[in-house]
Amino acid sequence: NAGVTQTPKFRILKIGQSMTLQCTQDMNHNYMYWYRQDPGMGLKLIYYSVGAGITDKGEVPNGYNVSRSTTEDFPLRLELAAPSQTSVYFCASTPGQGNYGYTFGSGTRLTVV
Amino acid sequence: AQTVTQSQPEMSVQEAETVTLSCTYDTSENNYYLFWYKQPPSRQMILVIRQEAYKQQNATENRFSVNFQKAAKSFSLKISDSQLGDTAMYFCALTGFGEYGNKLVFGAGTILRVKS
Repeated sequence: NAGVTQTPKFRILKIGQSMTLQCTQDMNHNYMYWYRQDPGMGLKLIYYSVGAGITDKGEVPNGYNVSRSTTEDFPLRLELAAPSQTSVYFCASTPGQGNYGYTFGSGTRLTVV
Repeated sequence: AQTVTQSQPEMSVQEAETVTLSCTYDTSENNYYLFWYKQPPSRQMILVIRQEAYKQQNATENRFSVNFQKAAKSFSLKISDSQLGDTAMYFCALTGFGEYGNKLVFGAGTILRVKS
């Protein structure tokens, strides 16, 4: 049981480049989330999804896009990378509303130079 | 909006002693859940303890317990018999229902250092 898998673990991008952060879960969870964590700070919600085909913006969505074509996958797309997007990105999932707990991936450390 | 505030950026404690981390929150919902997560240097997010708002009894998990004061919107974490492995960043988090769906809102975190 792999849980939530994020790839890559580390990445360095040049300003203006684009990339996709991958997130896959094998627990058949309906709800999935993308958070970013800046140094010494808490996690801020970028985008979330309550099921396949449904996505919505979180607190800090600018500069990002997501899609949810399947229950398992929730990729995060960065277009035209900027230094302000240097952060650690976490994907998480939960079965649905209620006290089920959240399962987090191990994070992707992204540096934009 | 839902907010979570952790007013202690850093704390330290001697091994085997007890430490309390503070958390206050704000929400307009009646039913919600509160969590404490631990993030060691490996950066993995580890659930420490959770509390359901409609339960008056404070949650306990081994050396970890909470003091949940619903009227005051306070949710502190007590770590007893502190161990070196407890050194980590600790996050308080809140999730509700209704308009806030199942989104987890985090505080800024408290760095805890356990000293030998």
